[in-house]
Amino acid sequence: AQRVTQPEKLLSVFKGAPVELKCNYSYSGSPELFWYVQYSRQRLQLLLRHISRESIKGFTADLNKGETSFHLKKPFAQEEDSAMYYCALSGLDTDKLIFGTGTRLQVFP
Amino acid sequence: NAGVTQTPKFQVLKTGQSMTLQCAQDMNHNSMYWYRQDPGMGLRLIYYSASEGTTDKGEVPNGYNVSRLNKREFSLRLESAAPSQTSVYFCATRRAGGRNEQFFGPGTRLTVL
Repeated sequence: AQRVTQPEKLLSVFKGAPVELKCNYSYSGSPELFWYVQYSRQRLQLLLRHISRESIKGFTADLNKGETSFHLKKPFAQEEDSAMYYCALSGLDTDKLIFGTGTRLQVFP
Repeated sequence: NAGVTQTPKFQVLKTGQSMTLQCAQDMNHNSMYWYRQDPGMGLRLIYYSASEGTTDKGEVPNGYNVSRLNKREFSLRLESAAPSQTSVYFCATRRAGGRNEQFFGPGTRLTVL
């Protein structure tokens, strides 16, 4: 079954601390993984996709096929990073996204 | 370009009332989607449309109907609203081919009393 698991509902850190939001997936084919972010009362927007291998707003995510993970990392959290983060999965044979349940990141000053 | 727009932004209904949520896009994308967002459950797909004139059920279609009358617009209808349909509803689009990135509207916050 296709599934995305985000084990943490809430992650709280202080400004300047490292952040890792966990995402594990289950997919039988070649997955396409994404991180979406939703700032307070705003629309979801794409943060990262694994095929781009880019760093956005200091965040990076590496696809680990052996561990079926796509964790989101940032070395030094900022207060403006406080938001809801969703990991999502798609595949070459589908145009649908499967979302995880989301992790709320709170960065305290 | 407005991107993906949704109306209304907020709505309160009584149990049994009906309403239609509207979604429009000016991105010339083929695929459109309706999701509901609930605390602790993430986003769940209600219905989607791969192209004009076609629609398919998603994960949680019961209690909803959709219409894709043209490429720009994809509406979601609640025929007889229930308190369990209290949620935030998001519309999204995706262009044909290429990557699976979806673009989201601002959402409609619906409360059913």
